[in-house]
Amino acid sequence: EDQVTQSPEALRLQEGESSSLNCSYTVSGLRGLFWYRQDPGKGPEFLFTLYSAGEEKEKERLKATLTKKESFLHITAPKPEDSATYLCAVVSGGYNKLIFGAGTRLAVHP
Amino acid sequence: KAGVTQTPRYLIKTRGQQVTLSCSPISGHRSVSWYQQTPGQGLQFLFEYFSETQRNKGNFPGRFSGRQFSNSRSEMNVSTLELGDSALYLCASSWAQGAVETQYFGPGTRLLVL
Repeated sequence: EDQVTQSPEALRLQEGESSSLNCSYTVSGLRGLFWYRQDPGKGPEFLFTLYSAGEEKEKERLKATLTKKESFLHITAPKPEDSATYLCAVVSGGYNKLIFGAGTRLAVHP
Repeated sequence: KAGVTQTPRYLIKTRGQQVTLSCSPISGHRSVSWYQQTPGQGLQFLFEYFSETQRNKGNFPGRFSGRQFSNSRSEMNVSTLELGDSALYLCASSWAQGAVETQYFGPGTRLLVL
């Protein structure tokens, strides 16, 4: 059965303190891995799509990487506005069926 | 370009009632997927529609159903509501032109079943 595990569950950082979030996956055949950001009471906001091991993508303070077993979301010099829940999801089989991890709740304090 | 819109944003129902939620995808998007989000189970896939046909279905009971119209707008229906159906219901749309596509989510409909 396809499975996505995110760690840590929660992370507290000081402003400017860089860190990484982990997403490990067990799927029969990875077709794509997605990172989303979700703010309280809102729908997930798309960040990145990664398709194959070795791929990397960057956007502002965020950088996503992918290996054959896991993905990392690196946050460089975070700001309080980066506080949110970060969700990882994979597609392995049928059309557009995203399998989500439980998410990492990030809190960045000034 | 307008994003995915969902109506209503909030709903309160009682056990045994039924509810219909609506989703309008991003203009030009032809695939619409529905997800349920709860604190205990996280985000779970309900079903996906393309060209008015259900292409994929998650592991939910038959009380959960959906449909898609010719303009790609979609509705989902939950019959005989149970307390455990209280959740944030999210709709997501994509172009449906490739094998793996980015899905863009709406703000969700928060359903409370009393």
